[in-house]
Amino acid sequence: QKEVEQNSGPLSVPEGAIASLNCTYSDRGSQSFFWYRQYSGKSPELIMSIYSNGDKEDGRFTAQLNKASQYVSLLIRDSQPSDSATYLCAVNMNYGGATNKLIFGTGTLLAVQP
Amino acid sequence: DAGITQSPRHKVTETGTPVTLRCHQTENHRYMYWYRQDPGHGLRLIHYSYGVKDTDKGEVSDGYSVSRSKTEDFLLTLESATSSQTSVYFCASLLERGGEQYFGPGTRLTVT
Repeated sequence: QKEVEQNSGPLSVPEGAIASLNCTYSDRGSQSFFWYRQYSGKSPELIMSIYSNGDKEDGRFTAQLNKASQYVSLLIRDSQPSDSATYLCAVNMNYGGATNKLIFGTGTLLAVQP
Repeated sequence: DAGITQSPRHKVTETGTPVTLRCHQTENHRYMYWYRQDPGHGLRLIHYSYGVKDTDKGEVSDGYSVSRSKTEDFLLTLESATSSQTSVYFCASLLERGGEQYFGPGTRLTVT
């Protein structure tokens, strides 16, 4: 079973702090990794993609990938109440051929306290 | 934003009736997907398409069928709706294999 696992939370952090969200995946051959943010009642919104080991920064967001340990993380610096949402980790598993499927974790609920 | 729309956005239907949900994208994306999202289960793939007339099953495909006659449209049909199919349905698309997938606004379906 190819899986993506996340802690469901809630993860509560004070405003201005760093929020750290983690995700592990089972398929060692996975090549593409994504973080989505989903506000209650809304559709998932892509916020970060990462394809190679190391860090990728975009504004207050940093995605980190470690393929050897099969984990990907998302750091949110200077957390704001508007960052309160569910964060979904998604991994493009290696199915071969024309197949292209993302496997999603169940998400981590982040609550930023003012 | 990949210019993905879904219709209808909300629907209430009765058990046993057929229902068709439509997904339309304007980005000429090759791949299109239908997911359902339920509390405690996250996003689950129902069916996907990797080209016109090319479709395949996802992990929760029973009771659903799809069709893709044009690049821009991907239809999801519930052949005979059941209460267990009450859910929020999301369509998504992406241009190339391994790339970024974008979601539509969702359809909230209630089967009574």
